[in-house]
Parts: sequence; structure tokens; C-alpha cells
Amino acid sequence: AQKVTQAQTEISVVEKEDVTLDCVYETRDTTYYLFWYKQPPSGELVFLIRRNSFDEQNEISGRYSWNFQKSTSSFNFTITASQVVDSAVYFCALSEALRGAQKLVFGQGTRLTINP
Amino acid sequence: GAGVSQSPSNKVTEKGKDVELRCDPISGHTALYWYRQSLGQGLEFLIYFQGNSAPDKSGLPSDRFSAERTGGSVSTLTIQRTQQEDSAVYLCASSLARDRGYEQYFGPGTRLTVT
Repeated sequence: AQKVTQAQTEISVVEKEDVTLDCVYETRDTTYYLFWYKQPPSGELVFLIRRNSFDEQNEISGRYSWNFQKSTSSFNFTITASQVVDSAVYFCALSEALRGAQKLVFGQGTRLTINP
Repeated sequence: GAGVSQSPSNKVTEKGKDVELRCDPISGHTALYWYRQSLGQGLEFLIYFQGNSAPDKSGLPSDRFSAERTGGSVSTLTIQRTQQEDSAVYLCASSLARDRGYEQYFGPGTRLTVT
């Protein structure tokens, strides 16, 4: 069965600190997709990134970076030099490629608070 | 371009009443999804529509829940005889294609409160 675990329920850091959000997943498939979404206080889920299971290259986008490691079934997300606007709930999600529906299985989310 | 829109943004209803929630996906997106977000259960998949294929209803929690998608665009999620445990934010999402790798874009949600 598919499962996504975000063990960190809440993280609080001071602005400009680096912070890493952990995500561990379980799947029986060899082909799958991993996602990160951001849910700011306004409530709307915002897509951040998608990786497929064949591409383990780490990705950097501005202050955001993602570390995908199949060996540990992890897809961690790092924010460098955090800013107050980064405060949100962050969700990691998994979609299996071979099943009938492209449903996303979400982790429980990590509430990130950046303090000025 | 316009994103996914949902209406109403908030709905308060009495236990036992029926409610209808509406979703307008992004134009050109063939896949449409409904999810539910509640404090106790997190984000849960409810139902998925792809083109003219039969919908995947595997996530619907009971037969009081149903959904339809007319003309391959607008979707309506109906909850009959609402219960207090139905209180949640109902999220709609759409994506470009059947390919499982396409990211889903979410609407702002409908907050349902059953009193």
C-alpha cells in the first residue's frame, strides 16, 4: 500500500535559518511520482515540484532544493535562508503510475513557522 | 489564465440536509479530482474523473457521497443526509492529462460545516 510519512508535525525557526522538511514514502511500484505542495494561511494548495522515480537528480529552484534518494525512500525539501513568507503547511505526496487513478496520497503535513 | 474555481467558498448546513459543491476546472484539463481535508484525517482522495472513462470512486467514504462531471468540465459533489463528520474542506483539483506524472492544480476549496 502507498504511504507518505512526514514525521515533523511542526517546525519553528528564525528567519534566515535553513530548514529541511522530511518525507519518507512507501510504494510497491517501481514507477511513481513524488510531489511537494505548499498550503499558506490562505488555504489554497500550491504545487511546488514533481519528480519521477527514475530521476534521482536533486533539484534547486532559488532558495528551495529537493533531495530524492530511492535507497532510503526519501524526498526531503530544504529551504535556504528562510523568510517569513515561507510560513505555511507543506505536504509531500505520492502518485503511483500503474494504478487506475492518478490519486495523490498525502503525508500529514509539516507546519513551518518562520519567525522574524 | 484562470485557475480552478469552487463554489460556494463556505457552506453551513443542518445535519440531515443535502448539499452540492461545485468545481470548475482549468480550461483544457481533462482530469478532475475531489479531495477532502479534515483535522482528523488529513488530505483524502475522494473521486477522480478522466475524460469519458468511468470515474474512480474508490475514495468515497459512503454511499451518501456522489459526484458527476457534465460535458467533461464542471463537476458537482453531492453529499446526501449530511452528518457532522462530513464537516471538512472539500478540495477540487484538475490536471492536464491521464499521465500520472502531471501535477494537479487545486482550487480554494469549499469549507463545509454541518451543525
